[in-house]
Amino acid sequence: LAKTTQPISMDSYEGQEVNITCSHNNIATNDYITWYQQFPSQGPRFIIQGYKTKVTNEVASLFIPADRKSSTLSLPRVSLSDTAVYYCLVGDWGSARQLTFGSGTQLTVLP
Amino acid sequence: DGGITQSPKYLFRKEGQNVTLSCEQNLNHDAMYWYRQDPGQGLRLIYYSQIVNDFQKGDIAEGYSVSREKKESFPLTVTSAQKNPTAFYLCASSALEEEGNTGELFFGEGSRLTVL
Repeated sequence: LAKTTQPISMDSYEGQEVNITCSHNNIATNDYITWYQQFPSQGPRFIIQGYKTKVTNEVASLFIPADRKSSTLSLPRVSLSDTAVYYCLVGDWGSARQLTFGSGTQLTVLP
Repeated sequence: DGGITQSPKYLFRKEGQNVTLSCEQNLNHDAMYWYRQDPGQGLRLIYYSQIVNDFQKGDIAEGYSVSREKKESFPLTVTSAQKNPTAFYLCASSALEEEGNTGELFFGEGSRLTVL
């Protein structure tokens, strides 16, 4: 199973770009990298997914280097409402057992 | 609206009692999952099911049981054998990889169980 390592917490100010990096040294060939956002007492919500290079959607970008041993979630111009826990998830979608959640990164956006 | 419904949102249990948490989805997803989350911790997989009448243990299945009699329903029973059941329980579903999608997990709003 691909184990992930993320910073425990990060602080940022409104309007800044935030980059959260996740390490997954033993990622397998079939594994995808997915990021989720969780607010207190709610279920996590999908943000973005990628396999290699760069993926961008309306809320975030995901950068994956060629060796795929890490990935970086980039949130442009964060606001107070982006304060949440962010999880990096690495796994093969063919098997639920391999969907391993790390400990997550608590992002706090300050005014 | 399509989604996942968990009930009850809050549940209190006395020691020695079994309790069942409900999870229903109308997304027509084949796969369903149960996760446990403790304060300040990540999610740990309890059980998952990829098809009706079949389910597999996750990382922390001891003291829990599930059933999958219908595609849309995946109830979780927390038995008296679970020594530390107080936690936040999350149900999720996903379409399987072969259906041509990302395998995104859709989560319910969670059920918070407290043992008195």
